[in-house]
Amino acid sequence: EVQLVETGGGLVQPGKSLKLTCATSGFTFSNAWMDWVRQSPEKQLEWVAQIKDKSNNYATYYAESVKGRFTISRDDSKSSVYLQMNSLKEEDTAIYYCLGWFAYWGQGTLVTVSS
Amino acid sequence: DIQMTQSPSSMSASLGDTVTITCLASQDIGNYLSWYQQKPGKSPKLMIYGATNLEDGVPSRFSGSRSGSDYSLTINSLGYDDEGIYHCHQYYEYPLTFGSGTKLEIK
Repeated sequence: EVQLVETGGGLVQPGKSLKLTCATSGFTFSNAWMDWVRQSPEKQLEWVAQIKDKSNNYATYYAESVKGRFTISRDDSKSSVYLQMNSLKEEDTAIYYCLGWFAYWGQGTLVTVSS
Repeated sequence: DIQMTQSPSSMSASLGDTVTITCLASQDIGNYLSWYQQKPGKSPKLMIYGATNLEDGVPSRFSGSRSGSDYSLTINSLGYDDEGIYHCHQYYEYPLTFGSGTKLEIK
């Protein structure tokens, strides 16, 4: 059974940092392209970042709204993907989902940025 | 960025009806289009990929089609289990983008 479990969400003040972790199982993680997608309170989905596999040199891509503030990374030995979020803004408030191949989704973790 | 204009934003239909949801791409995306179903409090579920391919385990009542830059999701023989929000998604070009969603209510 495929499982993706996100952790690390919570309430954080503007300007602060947070790191999300997604632990996976049930599929060949090392070959997978992994993404983070977020969903606003209005239910709009927004792609955040992608990291490709080793054969694609772990290439990374970002939405313009997070470029320079967020960093996606992965650890194939732990079948995990991460999202380091710095300089957080109130508009980053959302449920953050971890995805594998855009077919497998985690249950999401809520990030609230508020003073 | 590629804009995905999804319509309608919401709709209500009866049991047994056939409904169609559409997404218009602002530029060519080939068949790099997926559809997701999201139920309240749950994460989205992949239904259609490659514009017309049914994901494993998805009922054949669901189908996807393409006409130029218009992409459609059709659901036949509506049941209560089909209620939710449907999202289209293009993965042809970065940044990857989603439509604004269609909320489907079953009367």
